[in-house]
Amino acid sequence: QKEVEQDPGPLSVPEGAIVSLNCTYSNSAFQYFMWYRQYSRKGPELLMYTYSSGNKEDGRFTAQVDKSSKYISLFIRDSQPSDSATYLCAMRTSGNTPLVFGKGTRLSVIA
Amino acid sequence: GAGVSQSPRYKVAKRGQDVALRCDPISGHVSLFWYQQALGQGPEFLTYFQNEAQLDKSGLPSDRFFAERPEGSVSTLKIQRTQQEDSAVYLCASSGGTNEKLFFGSGTQLSVL
Repeated sequence: QKEVEQDPGPLSVPEGAIVSLNCTYSNSAFQYFMWYRQYSRKGPELLMYTYSSGNKEDGRFTAQVDKSSKYISLFIRDSQPSDSATYLCAMRTSGNTPLVFGKGTRLSVIA
Repeated sequence: GAGVSQSPRYKVAKRGQDVALRCDPISGHVSLFWYQQALGQGPEFLTYFQNEAQLDKSGLPSDRFFAERPEGSVSTLKIQRTQQEDSAVYLCASSGGTNEKLFFGSGTQLSVL
């Protein structure tokens, strides 16, 4: 079992839908949780950065961390075709320890 | 610079050739990471530098892989005697320090024929 599990999809939704993406993990020492967006042939771009449990909102994006369940989520409201990309969850224990990534979920938002 | 820059953007190598991949981190960033991303997978950690010191190389898959950052800025990832299984995108990322956000370059896509 990998440390971080993420359903690779693909996930296809109509424009305007609410998208829910999630990851589970096994290492209870993870403290820093991130979501990256990766367009085709580009590097990952940081979307959300959360420390420990709780919610964080930024525009149409909301990140949730539930450490008791070892479960993190990313919600995208009013999804747009430009949101079509692969979404990667990532996490690390502390300091400059390496990020551990999920496999990524490929999302398509259809106009 | 404005972002993390990697070169070349694409590299095709014959099996057995040596390759060198370059990373220019964001100016002033002390931490630099290399990741390998196979098709359809998330990035996998290779190695980490803080300034010129290589603090973690536990992710390097074999002794054919070597990384350096001699002056604490530009880094080079070298792969000797490339094999087909080395085909992947190699990503470089940098951050300003401990617990700082990590910024990625666009990667070098390596194809070994």
